[in-house]
Amino acid sequence: ETGVTQTPRHLVMGMTNKKSLKCEQHLGHNAMYWYKQSAKKPLELMFVYSLEERVENNSVPSRFSPECPNSSHLFLHLHTLQPEDSALYLCASSQDLNSNNYGYTFGSGTRLTVV
Amino acid sequence: DAKTTQPTSMDCAEGRAANLPCNHSTISGNEYVYWYRQIHSQGPQYIIHGLKNNETNEMASLIITEDRKSSTLILPHATLRDTAVYYCIVRPYTDKLIFGTGTRLQVFP
Repeated sequence: ETGVTQTPRHLVMGMTNKKSLKCEQHLGHNAMYWYKQSAKKPLELMFVYSLEERVENNSVPSRFSPECPNSSHLFLHLHTLQPEDSALYLCASSQDLNSNNYGYTFGSGTRLTVV
Repeated sequence: DAKTTQPTSMDCAEGRAANLPCNHSTISGNEYVYWYRQIHSQGPQYIIHGLKNNETNEMASLIITEDRKSSTLILPHATLRDTAVYYCIVRPYTDKLIFGTGTRLQVFP
């Protein structure tokens, strides 16, 4: 248990489905992040939230919609995905956006397969 | 743009020290060196970080050269559970973590 919990661990969805990934942290951190890791590729930073405000959106298609209702929870809403969106989606948190202590704490990820 | 260069893969015998190199010749004065590892299909795990002094914790040691252009992560007694991809990242304290391709370390019996 890393302190950052992601659910579900595995998700299979059709291209017309709508689903949501959930991330929860009770570390008292103020910044949260979504990363995508496709097969044989480095982790790609998707979204950055600080104190529940989105501060970065790295050219992510609109079929991915993040939501941060409070500092402990982060969601990634998915709709009309493509098979190439199949990947490991990782959530992370840090004390603050500019934190330089122990860096980021990552969850175990959600393995998404789009069929 | 890649700020670090790491070997693609390395092998290490169990019980031996694993020394993982990282080149960061364009590092700026305000950039820290971070090391993370990712065990298969899990999220990355923080290992250690430093600015210019050598650092040690319960997991590893970080040796940074005097000119700060390269560093080495040392796992003093590698175990099979240390098999993972190890990422060396340079980052100003105000910036996000951007991952490269890392070094795949295989520890063998």
